Amino acid sequence: ILNVEQSPQSLHVQEGDSTNFTCSFPSSNFYALHWYRWETAKSPEALFVMTLNGDEKKKGRISATLNTKEGYSYLYIKGSQPEDSATYLCASTNAGNNRKLIWGLGTSLAVNP
Amino acid sequence: EAQVTQNPRYLITVTGKKLTVTCSQNMNHEYMSWYRQDPGLGLRQIYYSMNVEVTDKGDVPEGYKVSRKEKRNFPLILESPSPNQTSLYFCASSLGRPSEQYFGPGTRLTVT
Repeated sequence: ILNVEQSPQSLHVQEGDSTNFTCSFPSSNFYALHWYRWETAKSPEALFVMTLNGDEKKKGRISATLNTKEGYSYLYIKGSQPEDSATYLCASTNAGNNRKLIWGLGTSLAVNP
Repeated sequence: EAQVTQNPRYLITVTGKKLTVTCSQNMNHEYMSWYRQDPGLGLRQIYYSMNVEVTDKGDVPEGYKVSRKEKRNFPLILESPSPNQTSLYFCASSLGRPSEQYFGPGTRLTVT
């Protein structure tokens, strides 16, 4: 994989449902994996930055896992609420000196009340 | 309050009229970056800077210039804007690698 790929592209769930998205990234030369939440008409906000294989991070009802060997990360939302509606972006950083972030196109989540 | 500010937030201009979008951060971050966001294309990096007087091209640098004379400021310059530069622009900063990036509020630019 040369690019960061996210799936699904969009998702509609009911309030209270739990959901998860996938981010696939280049596993060679990996340095860090970022997750961002981007609400409409606002700026992206960082959720997690993960670097180690097996990392798991949690913030409230949102958690993420990282597998650097196979090049994927999962983002989980437990008990989705309408305020979770947003686009969730992931980006990977390489291990070179340029700190370049390779961005996925995002997963757009809509939570219906 | 820790923040990244951008000005202007909205700008409509004409082809060829030079413009500058300012970006400033108050967090003493080393790393700053400019992105453009276009429908279906995601965030694309224009230029980035790892410290004062150190800048480098991102994925789509054509038609843009930047400077980093002070740590807090990273202006984006369009010497001769064209309609294909109509986009939503974000400035971002971070303490270093692999730190989280802080984004500015965005500048929506329309070039007619």
